[in-house]
Amino acid sequence: DIQMTQSPSSLSASVGDRVTITCRASQNINNYLNWYQQKPGKAPKLLIYAASSLQSGVPSRFSGSGSGTDFTLTISSLQPEDFATYYCQQSYSTPRTFGPGTKVDIK
Amino acid sequence: EVQLLESGGGLVQPGGSLRLSCAASGFTFSSYFMNWVRQAPGKGLEWVSATSGSGGSIYYADSVKGRFTISRDNSKNTLYLQMNSLRAEDTAVYYCAKGHLGSSLDYWGQGTLVTVSS
Repeated sequence: DIQMTQSPSSLSASVGDRVTITCRASQNINNYLNWYQQKPGKAPKLLIYAASSLQSGVPSRFSGSGSGTDFTLTISSLQPEDFATYYCQQSYSTPRTFGPGTKVDIK
Repeated sequence: EVQLLESGGGLVQPGGSLRLSCAASGFTFSSYFMNWVRQAPGKGLEWVSATSGSGGSIYYADSVKGRFTISRDNSKNTLYLQMNSLRAEDTAVYYCAKGHLGSSLDYWGQGTLVTVSS
């Protein structure tokens, strides 16, 4: 199985900050990497698919990059509604493993 | 508008069974992979199972293989998860999710809680 790691596990940031979250796969997954946002008590929401493609309706302040084993989610200017937990997921092979999550909270 | 509505969760004793349903609307159900993803209380997301649009291709996480069965009825636009031999560690909110480009998951239901406890 492909293992996914994320760093940091949590971070504190202020509105307007640039935030970067890293995700690493245990083997090459090409660009089969997706990012989700989850708020407490809610279902996850797809932000980025195929490493860098912005899902329809997602603000352009979210961007994704990377290929192979190392990937990044960037929020260019953090907004109040962006405080949430972010998960990466590989869809290169089954089981389609998720990373452990990165919680972004208010500084 | 795409909608996914899970049902069937509840309290069940260890070793028991439960069947979850996910009623889909707003898209051509038979054309898409469908998935089950779960989240234990206070924990992260765990992918559980997936089935192709026809139901001909099926995949499971090792943690549920041999105990859970995914199926779909395309005439009813409904996805199912039959869960047998349930364990305490299966306690979680279970989400159904629609497959999208790159095998991402673009629409999710609201989730249904399964609690395995005596």
